[in-house]
Amino acid sequence: QQQVKQSPQSLIVQKGGISIINCAYENTAFDYFPWYQQFPGKGPALLIAIRPDVSEKKEGRFTISFNKSAKQFSLHIMDSQPGDSATYFCAASGTGGSRLTFGEGTQLTVNP
Amino acid sequence: KAGVTQTPRYLIKTRGQQVTLSCSPISGHRSVSWYQQTPGQGLQFLFEYFSETQRNKGNFPGRFSGRQFSNSRSEMNVSTLELGDSALYLCASSFTQGTGETQYFGPGTRLLVL
Repeated sequence: QQQVKQSPQSLIVQKGGISIINCAYENTAFDYFPWYQQFPGKGPALLIAIRPDVSEKKEGRFTISFNKSAKQFSLHIMDSQPGDSATYFCAASGTGGSRLTFGEGTQLTVNP
Repeated sequence: KAGVTQTPRYLIKTRGQQVTLSCSPISGHRSVSWYQQTPGQGLQFLFEYFSETQRNKGNFPGRFSGRQFSNSRSEMNVSTLELGDSALYLCASSFTQGTGETQYFGPGTRLLVL
């Protein structure tokens, strides 16, 4: 009930391409869905987040698409750059707490 | 504004020992959460503190404990260390407690249990 499933586990994209990472959740009490980016040796950093009252949120090259009925959300990285190479985690929280339930992570490699 | 700081950054212990990790949140932040990150289990929530009180706890054994001080700094303790406790321990702070509060992570403490 608390799980967040993330795919793919790894992704290789050419520079300028679109990177797409998908997540699915089970707990309908979740009402906040952030994406975190983590570089080696660093802690995760918030990239973009969405609430279920909107279906899409865009910030620069990063877009979250949210499908409440399917309980799925995805991250799209447009014009992917080598500097985007990192591990990406989707997460979810709800019911009044700050506790984040994370997906398994996706290692993104953008080739020059 | 300084970010979340964690000390020490690296630690090597042997089985059966105990360890204390420290976290200083961003100035003004009152909520501190701890997570364990391993290659096999990913990022797992340990516990959350707000105003010196534990508000939420993950599914970890009682060997894992924590506390928060009046200045919002937090410590977590692991007693009777096991090999499987080897992990990156991450601390995250937020201004207050609640869904939607942006959590800012520190660089983590990498613990190796031999």
